[in-house]
Amino acid sequence: SQQGEEDPQALSIQEGENATMNCSYKTSINNLQWYRQNSGRGLVHLILIRSNEREKHSGRLRVTLDTSKKSSSLLITASRAADTASYFCATNNYGQNFVFGPGTRLSVLP
Amino acid sequence: GAVVSQHPSRVICKSGTSVKIECRSLDFQATTMFWYRQFPKQSLMLMATSNEGSKATYEQGVEKDKFLINHASLTLSTLTVTSAHPEDSSFYICSAKKTGGPNEKLFFGSGTQLSVL
Repeated sequence: SQQGEEDPQALSIQEGENATMNCSYKTSINNLQWYRQNSGRGLVHLILIRSNEREKHSGRLRVTLDTSKKSSSLLITASRAADTASYFCATNNYGQNFVFGPGTRLSVLP
Repeated sequence: GAVVSQHPSRVICKSGTSVKIECRSLDFQATTMFWYRQFPKQSLMLMATSNEGSKATYEQGVEKDKFLINHASLTLSTLTVTSAHPEDSSFYICSAKKTGGPNEKLFFGSGTQLSVL
C-alpha cells in the first residue's frame, strides 16, 4: 500500500536553480530513502536517512526528516539537465516492505 | 557492486502467450526480491515478494496463477506472465535486498516493458 505522498507531482526549473521535493508518510519508520528513476529505467538509490537523524548530505543532495510531522524533503542544489528524472521517497519499517510514494517528476531546463 | 540485471528490457507478444522475465543479482546474494508494476507517470505498485526456496507472497488483488514467481536460487527470481492479455501491458521492475547486512537498500533492475498485442 502506498503511504508516501510527494509534492509537487511535477516540477520544472532552470539549470542552476535548486529543486525541493517533499514527502509525507503515515506510519512509524526505521528509515526513509530517496530514489531516482530515469524514464523507462529502474530506480537508483540516492540517500538514506534514519529515523533518529534530522539532516543528511550527499554531494548536491540534502535530505531532511521531521518525524514529528512525518515528512521529509529532498533538496538538489545547482541542478543540471542530467538531474531530469522522477524522484521517489520510500519508507522502511525494520526490514518490512518498502513503501514508495507517487513520485515527483523533475524537469531541469538547460 | 550490487548490480541487478533484468531481462528482457522489452518484449512484445501476442495475446494468450506467456512471457518470462528474469531478475538476477550479479554480484551479491539476494534472499528476497520484489516485483513491481508501474504505469506511465505513476509510482511502483508492489506485486509480490519473492523469497528464495519458498512460495512468493502476493499483494492483495494480484493473481498468483496469472503472475508466476519462482526464486530457485539466491541470485535469480523469475516472473512469468501467463496467458498475457493487452491489459497486462505495463512496465515491470524487480528489486533485490542483499542477504545479510542491514538490508536497508534496494537494488533495482532496469525494468521490462511488456506490450501485449
